[in-house]
Order: sequence, then structure tokens, then C-alpha cells
Amino acid sequence: DIQMTQSPSTLSASVGDRVTITCRASQSVRSWLAWYQHKPGKAPNLLISEASTLENGVPSRFSGSGSGTDFTLTISGLQPDDLAIYYCQQYNSFRTFGQGTKVELK
Amino acid sequence: QVQLQESGPGLVKPSETLSLTCTVSGGSVNSGSHYWSWIRQSPGKRLEYLGYIYYNGNTNYNPSLLSRVAMSVDASNNQFSLKLYSVTAADTGVYYCARAPVRGTPDSWGQGALVTVSS
Repeated sequence: DIQMTQSPSTLSASVGDRVTITCRASQSVRSWLAWYQHKPGKAPNLLISEASTLENGVPSRFSGSGSGTDFTLTISGLQPDDLAIYYCQQYNSFRTFGQGTKVELK
Repeated sequence: QVQLQESGPGLVKPSETLSLTCTVSGGSVNSGSHYWSWIRQSPGKRLEYLGYIYYNGNTNYNPSLLSRVAMSVDASNNQFSLKLYSVTAADTGVYYCARAPVRGTPDSWGQGALVTVSS
């Protein structure tokens, strides 16, 4: 099965900072890569699908890029509401998630 | 807007069967445009995709659970269900049901149901 590895595991940043999370697949997933935001006690929220397609209603400060094995989620101007755990997920071959990146305030 | 809600026992004994149902509102499990999925998160672990079912009963299960998992659809009640057999403490976690577009990824999730495996 395809393994997904995110870095960093925890990210400390200030409001307004540009934040970047990376996700690497153990083999190519083409562009079948999604990013989710997960807050405690809530359902995960789909932010980006097909590596770079922003879902309806998701703020434009979120963006995704990459293809093949290397992907990036960027938050341009961190907001307090963005504090959460972020997961990448591949859906090229079955579905597997990364281990998550916790974004916290510095 | 589609909504999903998990229901079922919050406590299951080891070696027994975990059973959960997801009730769908604002959409139909008979939709040929979506898969109906189960995903879980055990304490301290990453999200794990258990599998999904199509309206016609076709399924795709996580290979690591293949011998222990079964999913079904009940169109008359607009529900779909999960059974996980011979559970152990490692099956403790929050179980989510979700809807995914065909050839897509889950875009609508339930709030999650905590299931504890303990005697």
C-alpha cells in the first residue's frame, strides 16, 4: 500500500505567517491527493482535492500544489481559525492518510 | 446539503462484532455519483480508511481488514452500515461515515462515533 509522510509533525507559527506543510507519497499518486483540516470533536473538512483544487467555501489563503510523490499545502496569512491538524490523503490506490501536522500558535 | 449521522453501541466486548449505521439526509444512498465510506481514528494514530460501498453493493475494503469487515446499504432507510468482526482493543476509536464522489475523496462527513472495545 502507499505510505504518506507529512512534515513537520508540529508547526508553530504566528498570526499572519505563511505556513507550508509537505506530504510525500511512497510512490506516485499522480494528482489524486487531498488535504483535510481537522479540529477536535469535529468532522474533518475537505480543503483541497486533486492536489490543487480549492473546495467551495474554503478561504483563498489555502492553496495546494504538487504531483507524483511530492505535495504542499500553503496557508498564506495564518488566521486563529486555522489552528488544527492537517492531513493529506491519497486516493490513487485505495486511500491512505498522512500522520497529520498540528498547526499551533507560537 | 447532505448530512450524515453515525449511530450504534459505544462499547463492544473483545472478540464480538462492532456494528455502526450511518443515516443520510439531504441526499440518497442510491446516488450513482457517490461512494459511501467508513473511516476511523484510533487514539494516537492517523486516520484509517476502512472501505466504501456503492449503491449497488459493490465494495472496496482496506486490505488490512479484509477478513473482518463488511459493509452494506439499506436504500429503504437511506442508510449504510459497517460491521467489524472479532474486535480487539486496537479497534477502539472514533468511527466516521462519509460520502465521496465517485473517483473522488470524502467531501461530507458525520460527526463521528466513539467506540470502545473493552470487557
